[in-house]
Parts: sequence; structure tokens; C-alpha cells
Amino acid sequence: GEDVEQSLFLSVREGDSSVINCTYTDSSSTYLYWYKQEPGAGLQLLTYIFSNMDMKQDQRLTVLLNKKDKHLSLRIADTQTGDSAIYFCADTGRRALTFGSGTRLQVQP
Amino acid sequence: DAMVIQNPRYQVTQFGKPVTLSCSQTLNHNVMYWYQQKSSQAPKLLFHYYDKDFNNEADTPDNFQSRRPNTSFCFLDIRSPGLGDAAMYLCATSNTGARGDTQYFGPGTRLTVL
Repeated sequence: GEDVEQSLFLSVREGDSSVINCTYTDSSSTYLYWYKQEPGAGLQLLTYIFSNMDMKQDQRLTVLLNKKDKHLSLRIADTQTGDSAIYFCADTGRRALTFGSGTRLQVQP
Repeated sequence: DAMVIQNPRYQVTQFGKPVTLSCSQTLNHNVMYWYQQKSSQAPKLLFHYYDKDFNNEADTPDNFQSRRPNTSFCFLDIRSPGLGDAAMYLCATSNTGARGDTQYFGPGTRLTVL
């Protein structure tokens, strides 16, 4: 089957870097996504990486992909209180997305 | 500027009383999806339309139906809501539905069943 797994919770101090990790099982995934969900809201696409890339940087966000280990990470530099949310990784092993269970990021002032 | 719009944002219904949730899009995308997201869980795909072609997930209960009268609109009908159907319902669209095609989500409708 297709599984995407994430740690459930991460707490950081404002100004520190956050690293959210994700593992997936489907080796045929072509794109891997990071979505952000604030309380009571829908999913906001943050960034994505194509499977033939190792790294993608987008302002404060850095995505690292280790295709051999099927490991994906999202690094948020200079984490702000507005970054507090649930972060979902998702892969595209099927026509639709397969989501991880989400990592709740708590940013302490 | 909204691209995927869901109405209402909050819906309260009674046990067993049919309810319809609405989604519209301004992106002119071919594919529209409905996901169910229960508290502290990942979104779970219920079904999707590729144009007018309806695709149901194998484990989606018969209680859930969908209609897509035109490219812009898609509806989720819950024929007899149970307490276990209380959740956030997310609509998403994508251009082609091909593997890797980015999905854009609406803000969701939170359904409460009394």
C-alpha cells in the first residue's frame, strides 16, 4: 500500500529553524508536496519538489528530498508565530494525493 | 481573487437530514475532488470528477454522492448524515488530474451533525 508518515508534533522558539520530516513508500511518486493548514481553514500549497531534484529553496522554505531513503523534509528558517499550523506532506503515487497525518508546529514567542 | 470557493463555511444539520455542500472554481480546471478530513487526521479522498466522468473511491460510503452540473460547480450530497460524518469537507481542483498535477484547495466546509 501507499503510506506517508510524519511526526505528530514539533515545538520551536520564534526565530529558530523548524525541520519537519516525512517518509513515503511509493517509489513512483513524481511530485511531493507540502501543504499548510491553519486552524479551521483549508489546505494552502506551500511548495513542492519534483522527484529528480534533491533540494528546492523558496524564500524561508527549503525542501530536501532523499529519494533513496524516501525521506522528505521541510525546513522553515527564522520561524515566526504565524507559521504555527499543521503541515502535511503528500505524494502523488496515485491520481490523487496521499497525505501524511500532519505535523503540528507550535512556535513559542 | 478566490480560486476555489466553498459554501457554506459552516453547516449544521440534524442526524438523518440530507445536506448539500457546494464548491465552485474560477480556474477552469478539469478535475474536482472532494475530501473528508476528520479532526487531527489527514484528508481522505471521497471521489473526484474528471470533467463529467465520476470516480468513486472504493471505501466511500453510499451515503455520499456528488454532482457536477458544469465545469465550475461541484456538489457533495450526504443523504442521511450520521454523527460519524461530522468533519471538514475539502474541495480541490487540478488542471489535468495527471500524476503530479498540483491540486488547489478551497477553505473547507465544517459540518456538524446534531
